[in-house]
Parts: sequence; C-alpha cells; structure tokens
Amino acid sequence: KNQVEQSPQSLIILEGKNCTLQCNYTVSPFSNLRWYKQDTGRGPVSLTIMTFSENTKSNGRYTATLDADTKQSSLHITASQLSDSASYICVVSADPAGTALIFGKGTTLSVSS
Amino acid sequence: ETGVTQTPRHLVMGMTNKKSLKCEQHLGHNAMYWYKQSAKKPLELMFVYSLEERVENNSVPSRFSPECPNSSHLFLHLHTLQPEDSALYLCASSPRTAPYGYTFGSGTRLTVV
Repeated sequence: KNQVEQSPQSLIILEGKNCTLQCNYTVSPFSNLRWYKQDTGRGPVSLTIMTFSENTKSNGRYTATLDADTKQSSLHITASQLSDSASYICVVSADPAGTALIFGKGTTLSVSS
Repeated sequence: ETGVTQTPRHLVMGMTNKKSLKCEQHLGHNAMYWYKQSAKKPLELMFVYSLEERVENNSVPSRFSPECPNSSHLFLHLHTLQPEDSALYLCASSPRTAPYGYTFGSGTRLTVV
C-alpha cells in the first residue's frame, strides 16, 4: 500500500534553533518527492521538489534531502523564525505531473520566542 | 496570492442547503483538482480534471458534484451535506506534464450545521 509517514507529529522549538523533520515512504513507482508548508487555514505552499536523481535541494533556510534507496527524506530548517510555525507536509508523487500524489499527515512545528 | 483563488473563504451551511465552491486560476494550467482536508488526516484527493474532462473521481459521495466549464474555472456543488463533511476544501492546479507549478488555493473552510 502506498503510504507516506512523517515524524514527529508535532515539534516545539525556540526561535533561532535548527530542526529536522522526517519522512518515510513506501510509494511505488516513485517520480518525485515534495515538501509543502501549510499555514493554519491556508493552502499548502511548495518548498522543494526532488526527483529520483536528486539527493538534496535548498530553498533559503529550508534544505531537503532524499535517499531513494532507503525511501527516506528529511527537511532541515536552519535558524528558525516565528513565521516558520506551520504544518510541513511530505508528498510523494507516483507520476511526473502529480496526478497521483500521496500525502503525509504533516508535522506541526511551533516556534516560540 | 498563489494564482489560484478560491471563494468563499468560509462557508456555513445547513444540511438541507445547496451551495457551490468556486476555484479560479490564471496560471495557464490545464489540470485542476479538488481536495478535502480534515483535522489530523492527510489531504484526500476528490476529483481531477484534465483539459476540462474529469479523469478521476475517488469514490466521493454524490452529494459532491464537480463542474469544470473551462480550463480556468472549477466548481464544487454541494447539497444535503452531513456534519462530517465539515473540512477545509482545497483547489489546486498544475501544468499536467511537469512536477513544477503544482499550486494550491487558500481553501474554503466549510462548516455543516
């Protein structure tokens, strides 16, 4: 069964600290893996997209890694800010265009001052 | 704004009402999607339209009826809903042929009373 599992479910960190969110998947076939940030009451916004051949991609303070062999990905947030408080969703696509997206439940990150 | 606009942002309706959700995109995308997001659950794909034809319907109850009159507009018609249908309904669009550009709207928060 195609699944995307994220951990931890929730996380609280102090402003300025780093954190890493995890994503394990069992989706096959695999086309690409995406990380989205979703603010409360808003739609998800894309942070990174990685295909099979890419093992790291950065977007500002966000760095995603992908190990296609172990089917694991991580999202590292550097020097966290209050505005990073959101849900972070890992999404795996079985086709390039994304018509077959498998969503994780997300990790809720709270950054406190 | 992401380029995908959803209206209304919030909707409260009784179980006997009929209402419609609207989604509009001017990104030149040719695929559009409806998702349901309930608390503590992953996003659930409801419908996919590609080139204005419905290509996927994930066993959604008939009380939800989609309509795609052209490549820029997507509607979700609602009638005789149940309280468990209360959720955030998200529209998305994509270029259909590439992973980049998959864009979500901000959603409609629906409450069925």
